[in-house]
Amino acid sequence: DAGVIQSPRHEVTEMGQEVTLRCKPISGHNSLFWYRQTMMRGLELLIYFNNNVPIDDSGMPEDRFSAKMPNASFSTLKIQPSEPRDSAVYFCASTPRTGVMNTEAFFGQGTRLTVV
Amino acid sequence: DAKTTQPTSMDCAEGRAANLPCNHSTISGNEYVYWYRQIHSQGPQYIIHGLKNNETNEMASLIITEDRKSSTLILPHATLRDTAVYYCIVRVEWNNAGNMLTFGGGTRLMVKP
Repeated sequence: DAGVIQSPRHEVTEMGQEVTLRCKPISGHNSLFWYRQTMMRGLELLIYFNNNVPIDDSGMPEDRFSAKMPNASFSTLKIQPSEPRDSAVYFCASTPRTGVMNTEAFFGQGTRLTVV
Repeated sequence: DAKTTQPTSMDCAEGRAANLPCNHSTISGNEYVYWYRQIHSQGPQYIIHGLKNNETNEMASLIITEDRKSSTLILPHATLRDTAVYYCIVRVEWNNAGNMLTFGGGTRLMVKP
């Protein structure tokens, strides 16, 4: 398996533009997580899905952020409109099926977002 | 999930053992200790986890004290490629909603020649 695949790897956009980050989890995994990492705040959990259903989005900063998981093999994180303070590295991770104990999380390589 | 306390940074000589401590004094009986690391510009990577007993795999060893209030991750022969931020996380076995991980500040390990 190629692991968790995120695209794009780098994104530079102007303030006010819409940004869409994409994630393909490992096949067969049914939990998916979006994290954001900055120097100031470290790794923060934004939202996670279980069986394509959003379970907890309390980490999403504000209404400008939205995430979807239309099927088991694809998820998006959208920022509209983007602001300079959204600049960060965004990671996607997936884990095997819920209910299996002691599962490890597999992270993608991340998307480095710069909003100018 | 219980909180953890780790030193901000540590140095280790190449080829020597790296011992990374973690305090988790409020750990509950059903919480496991997990270790992840993050090499620069990469996503976090799972290393090892345990409940009560010491654990060893091809990457590292995990020593958990008898009272489970602290643990130590041991990299037996550190190499330059082990330079990374190491995160100690405690969490419940699983829950109906998923297996989410909450990351703290971690320990920045610098392996020096």
